[in-house]
Amino acid sequence: NAGVMQNPRHLVRRRGQEARLRCSPMKGHSHVYWYRQLPEEGLKFMVYLQKENIIDESGMPKERFSAEFPKEGPSILRIQQVVRGDSAAYFCASSPQGRAHEQYFGPGTRLTVT
Amino acid sequence: GNSVTQMEGPVTLSEEAFLTINCTYTATGYPSLFWYVQYPGEGLQLLLKATKADDKGSNKGFEATYRKETTSFHLEKGSVQVSDSAVYFCALSDPRSGAGSYQLTFGKGTKLSVIP
Repeated sequence: NAGVMQNPRHLVRRRGQEARLRCSPMKGHSHVYWYRQLPEEGLKFMVYLQKENIIDESGMPKERFSAEFPKEGPSILRIQQVVRGDSAAYFCASSPQGRAHEQYFGPGTRLTVT
Repeated sequence: GNSVTQMEGPVTLSEEAFLTINCTYTATGYPSLFWYVQYPGEGLQLLLKATKADDKGSNKGFEATYRKETTSFHLEKGSVQVSDSAVYFCALSDPRSGAGSYQLTFGKGTKLSVIP
């Protein structure tokens, strides 16, 4: 049973470009969460999605950031017009239905904005 | 709101030494408590958890006891190995309090280096 998969593992973007981060949850998991880890910090919640629904995006910046989890395919975290402060590790987690506290994490995508 | 405070690192120990990483929390409800481990270049792996007071979580020789009276969940291991070198995160969720049921709240992490 494959774990949570994220790609790419490393992403370099110039300021002003767009970054797309992908996350495939564990098989059978219908809930996806995105967290951001800034250098020397713990992970901070960004957004919680179920298939075709955003449940809670309270941790996501109001501008430039968006997330989706379509009926088919991976969840996507999209950052438009990236700035240097967006450089961080972005982790995706998934959980089974009804067990939101049992989150399994992917390896993360390390975004570097130059 | 919920918060987690854990001891700052880095912590450097010799192989076979005793490990303690302190973690205290504040929560409005009755949280579940977790320790995650992050090996270099990898994502977080759940190490152990405890869901109610006085529960002891254990895995791979690591232990932590949920102490409600001191709001603590300290991580311990009797004899560390070089392979335990990683960053350890204490975290909580609050299954009974709305967003807290799925928003894991993390400490800043403690980097452990074990030398031969």
